[in-house]
Amino acid sequence: AQKITQTQPGMFVQEKEAVTLDCTYDTSDPSYGLFWYKQPSSGEMIFLIYQGSYDQQNATEGRYSLNFQKARKSANLVISASQLGDSAMYFCAMRELQTGANNLFFGTGTRLTVIP
Amino acid sequence: KAGVTQTPRYLIKTRGQQVTLSCSPISGHRSVSWYQQTPGQGLQFLFEYFSETQRNKGNFPGRFSGRQFSNSRSEMNVSTLELGDSALYLCASSFGLAGADTQYFGPGTRLTVL
Repeated sequence: AQKITQTQPGMFVQEKEAVTLDCTYDTSDPSYGLFWYKQPSSGEMIFLIYQGSYDQQNATEGRYSLNFQKARKSANLVISASQLGDSAMYFCAMRELQTGANNLFFGTGTRLTVIP
Repeated sequence: KAGVTQTPRYLIKTRGQQVTLSCSPISGHRSVSWYQQTPGQGLQFLFEYFSETQRNKGNFPGRFSGRQFSNSRSEMNVSTLELGDSALYLCASSFGLAGADTQYFGPGTRLTVL
């Protein structure tokens, strides 16, 4: 079964507007971590933000915030004040902590295009 | 602090050959993971090393192997290359194995098999 689902293959946003990228996950592990990465056309995966399953507050990092709804198993990324440099692929990923494995499960990604 | 480095950045091989990719983690990081990224399969986990020991392996054939050295640098090897092995191979390092330990990725090695 797919552990991470990103249903938006592509999204467009006007420069300076906010955008939400959707991510839902599936796990029976009560302890897990959720990550968002950005991948520009150069290929390097850039870490954006982390949310732990037991964190009470939604994570924020500068213009990035994570809308974590545990009961709905969703971890949407919100980018505020979009910039042209935000155009890239965005991946949601999960690590299951009780298994002891360190690997990440990735979604299929969302391609964000920022329009001037 | 320098980021994760991967060499070479680009590689062209022919079917049946073998290839070795190298990854140097961020200084102080002891965990190294490898991922394969293709347009069809997306990002898939290959294997993970911590303190020179393979802790976890993804669902890949035995042609894919790896190792980690005492300085935490890691190599992965693919033998008897197939056309389907063409992909971006990403290496990631993390300080340890705690839940919040973020994996930081290198720029990747783009392998083309002809």
